[in-house]
Amino acid sequence: EPEVTQTPSHQVTQMGQEVILRCVPISNHLYFYWYRQILGQKVEFLVSFYNNEISEKSEIFDDQFSVERPDGSNFTLKIRSTKLEDSAMYFCASSPDRGGNEKLFFGSGTQLSVL
Amino acid sequence: GENVGLHLPTLSVQEGDNSIINCAYSNSASDYFIWYKQESGKGPQFIIDIRSNMDKRQGQRVTVLLNKTVKHLSLQIAATQPGDSAVYFCAENNNAGNMLTFGGGTRLMVKP
Repeated sequence: EPEVTQTPSHQVTQMGQEVILRCVPISNHLYFYWYRQILGQKVEFLVSFYNNEISEKSEIFDDQFSVERPDGSNFTLKIRSTKLEDSAMYFCASSPDRGGNEKLFFGSGTQLSVL
Repeated sequence: GENVGLHLPTLSVQEGDNSIINCAYSNSASDYFIWYKQESGKGPQFIIDIRSNMDKRQGQRVTVLLNKTVKHLSLQIAATQPGDSAVYFCAENNNAGNMLTFGGGTRLMVKP
């Protein structure tokens, strides 16, 4: 069964450093997402991406965050200058259609630890 | 997706019994609901979904019930198995966009 893959599974970084989290969505999917889950809290929406542009973003997704689809397969989340409070599990997801009609497929996540 | 430290409500059931996991949602405009299962070290996995024009939907061993009057969603798992042990999240979408809003989760523990 096709799946969303994320790398790395764990990322440790120093505060103020840039990190790039990588995702390979399912190949025929058109919509891509990033969610995060801070330890002890709910899964939270960050951003959705379609047709090479952001279609929706939450308040969390400030100008320290950016997303990119550099080629036909990868989808990345960049945090420009990490803060302690960015420590969380980051999930990538994809869907073949717009939310509400098709379920999202999630990757296994990247655990980001900012020291 | 290790939920260590997450103070989740926990449901403990005996193997073979039926499980019912409940979720209250807040947005009356939500018209699409999904249940996800999250096992340790993994991302959320789709279980079953339901649109707001339905009040019940059945899958394999799972049933989702939707009560729009009281904004309540439940997941019923028949003949619960040890492999069902996980954290279960409900999520809602108001079809105004692609954003899913997740609930806080319930930890299901199945005793053999």
